[in-house]
Amino acid sequence: AQSVTQLDSQVPVFEEAPVELRCNYSSSVSVYLFWYVQYPNQGLQLLLKYLSGSTLVKGINGFEAEFNKSQTSFHLRKPSVHISDTAEYFCAVSDLADYKLSFGAGTTVTVRA
Amino acid sequence: EAGVTQSPTHLIKTRGQQATLRCSPISGHTSVYWYQQALGLGLQFLLWYDEGEERNRGNFPPRFSGRQFPNYSSELNVNALELEDSALYLCASIPSSGRAGNEQFFGPGTRLTVL
Repeated sequence: AQSVTQLDSQVPVFEEAPVELRCNYSSSVSVYLFWYVQYPNQGLQLLLKYLSGSTLVKGINGFEAEFNKSQTSFHLRKPSVHISDTAEYFCAVSDLADYKLSFGAGTTVTVRA
Repeated sequence: EAGVTQSPTHLIKTRGQQATLRCSPISGHTSVYWYQQALGLGLQFLLWYDEGEERNRGNFPPRFSGRQFPNYSSELNVNALELEDSALYLCASIPSSGRAGNEQFFGPGTRLTVL
């Protein structure tokens, strides 16, 4: 079984400042890692994913994440946020058997001018 | 290309009633996943259907059930509704071939309110 811990439930940040959302996971088997974003009253949209290869993954909207196997972490970063980045962000892992997603509790990012 | 669609957008029921939620996957996708997003409980895996068969289910009671039709659309049924079933129910689809590491595409969800 897998589990995901998002270390921050709320992250307030000023516009154009950098942001980092922390995610740790635990699993006894290899997994795939994902970050999804959920805007108010909408479904989930994929930001980026890590399957294998380079540990630095670039996604949409200027986001990137780094996979650290020794620390079992997959932190999400953006160097300069916009008001439109206000949303809830979910880290998820997918096992290789049935590909179902196990999600973290989510991090609410609020960007202020 | 049309995305995953879900209906209805909102559904209001009373305790003890049954709810039926529907999902149409992206054309060419044969796998459908259902998730529940309840306040305070986060996103939890409910059910997985692939090629018309239930392949896996999460830690939910049997009154949560569903099916997948020959056109790969899916239906989630919740019987004997309880107040704590109030949640956003999300459906996601994925192609069966090359499933490994593929993105799950999510619909907008159905907001179920149980009074």
